Amino acid sequence: DGGITQSPKYLFRKEGQNVTLSCEQNLNHDAMYWYRQDPGQGLRLIYYSQIVNDFQKGDIAEGYSVSREKKESFPLTVTSAQKNPTAFYLCASSIAWTTSYEQYFGPGTRLTVT
Amino acid sequence: RKEVEQDPGPFNVPEGATVAFNCTYSNSASQSFFWYRQDCRKEPKLLMSVYSSGNEDGRFTAQLNRASQYISLLIRDSKLSDSATYLCVVNRGGTSYGKLTFGQGTILTVHP
Repeated sequence: DGGITQSPKYLFRKEGQNVTLSCEQNLNHDAMYWYRQDPGQGLRLIYYSQIVNDFQKGDIAEGYSVSREKKESFPLTVTSAQKNPTAFYLCASSIAWTTSYEQYFGPGTRLTVT
Repeated sequence: RKEVEQDPGPFNVPEGATVAFNCTYSNSASQSFFWYRQDCRKEPKLLMSVYSSGNEDGRFTAQLNRASQYISLLIRDSKLSDSATYLCVVNRGGTSYGKLTFGQGTILTVHP
């Protein structure tokens, strides 16, 4: 089955630790995205990648880093510089970076930092 | 003004009711519009795209008014399984056309 996988589903970390969230897709999509969702708020864009080996900052990139070495993979690292890392993190992909294609989401990772 | 604004609700309706959600967007360059559905603690899933002429998918009807920068979603004959948060989603237009902006969502609860 084609889709997007994210692991793990739940992640707990201590303050000051970096943590990497996995995102893999087998949809052969060019574009991939990372969002965070906080309670009662809309999704906010962290980073996006239009094509392999390229990525751009989104609206709230501070304290995060990404890589796109393979078309199917777009891991997100939450660094210790991120002031409020506890959130629901969602990875998405779309066929291409265009106006008309919808984005498909993975099941998300709930990160709790204490 | 928020880029995408929705009435957060919650809307509590009985089974069989008709319910309508509204959404306004601020970027006149936006060209693509969607309604997503998000179940509790799950990922958003595309419900339907919204086309200029309006479109229908079973019990769901979406309308777009570009002049007023307004999008709506109508659900007829509500089912218990329609209970979810409905997200209004708009692309940003211009050089950011591949980016989507998500509204905060409208909560719908359908009760027996």
